[in-house]
Amino acid sequence: EAGVVQSPRYKIIEKKQPVAFWCNPISGHNTLYWYLQNLGQGPELLIRYENEEAVDDSQLPKDRFSAERLKGVDSTLKIQPAELGDSAVYLCASSFGGGPEETQYFGPGTRLLVL
Amino acid sequence: AQRVTQPEKLLSVFKGAPVELKCNYSYSGSPELFWYVQYSRQRLQLLLRHISRESIKGFTADLNKGETSFHLKKPFAQEEDSAMYYCALSGRGQGGKLIFGQGTELSVKP
Repeated sequence: EAGVVQSPRYKIIEKKQPVAFWCNPISGHNTLYWYLQNLGQGPELLIRYENEEAVDDSQLPKDRFSAERLKGVDSTLKIQPAELGDSAVYLCASSFGGGPEETQYFGPGTRLLVL
Repeated sequence: AQRVTQPEKLLSVFKGAPVELKCNYSYSGSPELFWYVQYSRQRLQLLLRHISRESIKGFTADLNKGETSFHLKKPFAQEEDSAMYYCALSGRGQGGKLIFGQGTELSVKP
């Protein structure tokens, strides 16, 4: 079992450029999460999917961030345009169900640097 | 407001010494509390949750609702315990959303 897969692992872009991150959850996991982790901080939820439906996107900055999970499996998180303050680690996690009793399994993260 | 506070950014102990990583929370309701750990060059993973009341790798944590705390303890630290530790909470109605603390780096010296 590969676990949650994320790509790319590292990305360096210039400000105002677009960037996209991809996540493949553990097989059979219906719930997928995107978290943002700033340096020296704990992860913060950006968006949560139940299958293909975004059920909590209240903390996603919708002016520049977008996400999709078209077939209820893989997911893509996009930033357009990127700003200097977007430099962070973007974590994807998945769980079998969406309740607090379910264990979330995290991917290795994508480390973004915006110059 | 829902919040998790880990007051120590860094905790350094010697091998064999007891260790306690502090976690305090603020939540209006009945929370689920977790400790996650991230070893060097590895991904974030669940260490333990309060509801299961189990000991993992010698670590235990007791939920104290009166003091709104969920401190992580181990009687004898090992060098391999060196890692980043994050306390997190969730709850009914949160849909599995985890609220994390800032993390405490534990360094166990030989």
